[in-house]
Amino acid sequence: TQLLEQSPQFLSIQEGENLTVYCNSSSVFSSLQWYRQEPGEGPVLLVTVVTGGEVKKLKRLTFQFGDARKDSSLHITAAQPGDTGLYLCAGAPPDDKIIFGKGTRLHILP
Amino acid sequence: DAGVIQSPRHEVTEMGQEVTLRCKPISGHDYLFWYRQTMMRGLELLIYFNNNVPIDDSGMPEDRFSAKMPNASFSTLKIQPSEPRDSAVYFCASSAGTRNQPQHFGDGTRLSIL
Repeated sequence: TQLLEQSPQFLSIQEGENLTVYCNSSSVFSSLQWYRQEPGEGPVLLVTVVTGGEVKKLKRLTFQFGDARKDSSLHITAAQPGDTGLYLCAGAPPDDKIIFGKGTRLHILP
Repeated sequence: DAGVIQSPRHEVTEMGQEVTLRCKPISGHDYLFWYRQTMMRGLELLIYFNNNVPIDDSGMPEDRFSAKMPNASFSTLKIQPSEPRDSAVYFCASSAGTRNQPQHFGDGTRLSIL
C-alpha cells in the first residue's frame, strides 16, 4: 500500500514567520500536487510538480519536488492569516491512481 | 465557468434512512471521483468513473454504499441503510484527460447520521 506522510499534522505560528511542511513517501511518483482546503470548501489545486528537483513559486509559497520524486516540501515566507488552511499533497504513481496525504493543518495567528 | 456542484450541502438524518448525495461535474471532464473526509482518516477515495463507467470501487466501505453515473453531467452516491459511522464530509471531484490530472472539487456535503 502506498502512503503519503505529511508533517507536521498541525502547525500554529505567528504572522510574519516562515514555515516548511513536508510530504514524504517510499514510493516514486510521476507527479505531485499540492492543494489548499479552507473550512466549508473543497480542496483547491495550488501547484503540480513533475520533474525531480523541480522548484515552483507561487507568490510567497515555494514548492519543491525531491530529486528522487518521492517527497516534496512547501515553504511559506512571511506567513499571513490568509494562508490558514489544510494543505494536502497528492501523489500520482506511474501505474495507479492518485493518493492523498492526511494534510497539514496550518493556523497563522495575527 | 461553473465548478463542480454538489447537493445538498448539509444533510442530517436518522440512522437507517437512505441518503442520496448528488454531483454535477465540470462540463467536458471525463473523470469523476467520490471521496469521504474525516479528521481521523483524511480524504479517502471511494470510487471513480471514466466516461460514466465505474473503474475502481475498491474504496467503497461496504455494500450499503453504491454510486451511479447515468450520464456525463450527473452522479449519485447512495447510502442505504445509513449508520452513525457514515457521518463525514463527502466530496465529488472531476478531472479531464487522465485519472491523475489535477482534480476540481465541489464544496462537499456534510452528512450527519443521528
